This record gives sequence, structure tokens and C-alpha cells, in this order.
Amino acid sequence: AQRVTQPEKLLSVFKGAPVELKCNYSYSGSPELFWYVQYSRQRLQLLLRHISRESIKGFTADLNKGETSFHLKKPFAQEEDSAMYYCALYNAGGTSYGKLTFGQGTILTVHP
Amino acid sequence: DSGVTQTPKHLITATGQRVTLRCSPRSGDLSVYWYQQSLDQGLQFLIQYYNGEERAKGNILERFSAQQFPDLHSELNLSSLELGDSALYFCASSPRTLAGNPNTGELFFGEGSRLTVL
Repeated sequence: AQRVTQPEKLLSVFKGAPVELKCNYSYSGSPELFWYVQYSRQRLQLLLRHISRESIKGFTADLNKGETSFHLKKPFAQEEDSAMYYCALYNAGGTSYGKLTFGQGTILTVHP
Repeated sequence: DSGVTQTPKHLITATGQRVTLRCSPRSGDLSVYWYQQSLDQGLQFLIQYYNGEERAKGNILERFSAQQFPDLHSELNLSSLELGDSALYFCASSPRTLAGNPNTGELFFGEGSRLTVL
């Protein structure tokens, strides 16, 4: 069964500090991983996907298959980064093709 | 707004009752997903439809059912409601890939329907 674990429910940092939101997964196939973000009073939306290997709003995430991790990082946090972040695993094959499994979410608070 | 729309936004009902939540996907999206979000459980996958057919199923209770209609809108029916069913229910839709595969893993979410069971 596929599973996504975000060990930190809450994470607080100060503006300008580095931030890392942890995500670990278990999946028997080749994983496709995503980070979604929900800002206050906004819809849940895609932040980035590992396939694109892109940096969005200064955030990056590297898929580490050996450690089954997909941690989200930003070198200098900003107050506007405060939000709920979800790591998600997409099932691109098999009987549950199309299923997107989310972790529990991490609430990031960036203090001024 | 051509995004995912959900109705109603808020719903208050009593235990034992039945409610129907409605979702219209983005124009052109054939996949619809339903998720339940609660404080202690996070975002739980319930069920996914693609072009009218059930594609994947999560931890959806037997008291819950869903369907996707020919016009691609979807309804989630919750019956014999219990206090623990109080949650935010999200619908999301997903576009095809460029290769024509039904899903991309990129979901577009609605604003959610907040259900309160008293």
C-alpha cells in the first residue's frame, strides 16, 4: 500500500531562516511525488512536482529513492510562506491508477 | 470562474440524516476526486471517477457513495450521518496528460463543503 508520512504537524521558523518540511513515502512502484500548499483562505493548490525539477517561490524538493524521501526546502523563509503544506504520492499504474495519497500536512509558520 | 465548484459551501445537519454534496469539475477535466479533511486525519482520499466510471477507491465508508454523471459533475452522498462525519469535503479534478492519459497527478481543488453534524 502507498503511504505518505509528514512527521511534523507544526513547524515554526523566523523570517530569513532556512526551512525544511519533511516527507517520507512508501510505494512499491516508481513514485511520482508532489507538494501541495494551502494558504489562508485559499484553495489547496499544486506547489511543485518532482518530475519537473523546478523551483517554485524559492522552494525545491529532491526525490531521494534510497531514503524514500521528498523533503521540501527553502533557504530563506518569508512570512508569506506561512501555510499548510501537503506532500502527495501519485499512483501512475496498477489497480489504483490515478490515486493521489496525501500526507497529514505540516503547518508552517514564519515569524517576522 | 471556470475552476472546480462545490455546493453547498456549508451544511449543518443532524445525526442520522443524509446529505448530498455536489461538484462540477473544471471545463475539460474528466477525472473527479473526493477527499475528506478533518483535524486529526488530514486529507483522506475517498474515491475517484474518470469519465463516469469509478477508477480508484480509498477509505470510503459504506454509508458514503458517489457517482459521476454524463455531464461530468459528481455527487457525494453521505447517509446515516454520525458526529464523526463532520469535516471539510473537497472535490478536485484533473486534466489529461499530453499523451492522453487520464490523469497527471496535478489536481485542481474546489473550496470545499464544510459539513457539521450535530
